[in-house]
Amino acid sequence: GESVGLHLPTLSVQEGDNSIINCAYSNSASDYFIWYKQESGKGPQFIIDIRSNMDKRQGQRVTVLLNKTVKHLSLQIAATQPGDSAVYFCAENSGYGNKLVFGAGTILRVKS
Amino acid sequence: EPEVTQTPSHQVTQMGQEVILRCVPISNHLYFYWYRQILGQKVEFLVSFYNNEISEKSEIFDDQFSVERPDGSNFTLKIRSTKLEDSAMYFCASSDPIAKNIQYFGAGTRLSVL
Repeated sequence: GESVGLHLPTLSVQEGDNSIINCAYSNSASDYFIWYKQESGKGPQFIIDIRSNMDKRQGQRVTVLLNKTVKHLSLQIAATQPGDSAVYFCAENSGYGNKLVFGAGTILRVKS
Repeated sequence: EPEVTQTPSHQVTQMGQEVILRCVPISNHLYFYWYRQILGQKVEFLVSFYNNEISEKSEIFDDQFSVERPDGSNFTLKIRSTKLEDSAMYFCASSDPIAKNIQYFGAGTRLSVL
């Protein structure tokens, strides 16, 4: 069946360092992959997405890489700040109605 | 910045009671969704709604659940007879007609079934 999963449940980084959050997916038919950030007590917040016909997309301080050969997605955060501390979810968009299938989440902790 | 709003933020109910969770999606959006997140687990899809009908629903969304867009601005999720295992955060989301893969989420309603 379809599933999206994460390699590392918790990632601790020093403020100013770069962070890399990884995600594996299994549905090769998915068209979009999206990263969400969820802070405590809030709903998921859209960060960046990438379409399946791309392998890299950059935003402000964030880069998403897609490797379809090994079904792997990563989120890179440059110069990580304390405000980046949150749970990060990857999600894939699949099927009619565009439901999102979420991964389990990675906790990012930024140490000052 | 436009946002999805959900009320109430916390709903406490007795097992067997009916609850209605309310959402006001972003005004120009046409696709609406409900998701839930049991504490410590991942976000799970419940149902999507477009053009006044359900587009897709998950196996979680059984006949105890229903959705409605009663007045053109609100989007509601009703659970007819709540069970203990319905305790979770319920998130409403919406997306616009063009970038419908990007879903914007509300802050959620925490449902506690006692």
